[in-house]
Amino acid sequence: RKEVEQDPGPFNVPEGATVAFNCTYSNSASQSFFWYRQDCRKEPKLLMSVYSSGNEDGRFTAQLNRASQYISLLIRDSKLSDSATYLCVVTFNAGNMLTFGGGTRLMVKP
Amino acid sequence: NAGVTQTPKFRILKIGQSMTLQCTQDMNHNYMYWYRQDPGMGLKLIYYSVGAGITDKGEVPNGYNVSRSTTEDFPLRLELAAPSQTSVYFCASSPPGRGNTIYFGEGSWLTVV
Repeated sequence: RKEVEQDPGPFNVPEGATVAFNCTYSNSASQSFFWYRQDCRKEPKLLMSVYSSGNEDGRFTAQLNRASQYISLLIRDSKLSDSATYLCVVTFNAGNMLTFGGGTRLMVKP
Repeated sequence: NAGVTQTPKFRILKIGQSMTLQCTQDMNHNYMYWYRQDPGMGLKLIYYSVGAGITDKGEVPNGYNVSRSTTEDFPLRLELAAPSQTSVYFCASSPPGRGNTIYFGEGSWLTVV
């Protein structure tokens, strides 16, 4: 079983749609959680951290469910510019070693 | 506004050749990392360093070596290139401590033929 698992997609949605991605992690001792965004042939960039109480940043909402060991990302009012791969990222130790999921590809169409 | 700089951006190697991917950061970060990303996959940690003079293996270290003689530089060495090392390589850095933002370089595309 992979340590961090994501549905690879692609998710094809029209502009304005709401889309949600889930990610599951296997290590119950996981400590920090993030969503990164990666555009085609570019480096990953931090989209948002995920806090236990859930957090929102504009059209993006992230939630953490420790009991079920998953995190989610909700994107409201999708824009064409949201088309990218979204990487679920977890740290398992006291350092800052990131473990990446395989990514979920989102394609927003006019 | 340099951040993390990697060179070269693209390289084609023949099987058995050696090369070094250079990485430098100007943010005075203690932690530095090398990841590889195969097509359609997530990033896998090759090596990391928590400070000058200290390096450690990540998930996929075989076939690679690193050194960290200064805070700024963290080169990755491929000694005997193999086709399985065809990948995109990302160098990254972060301040120490859990949960701090990690900054990535723009990536190095390596093809071994």
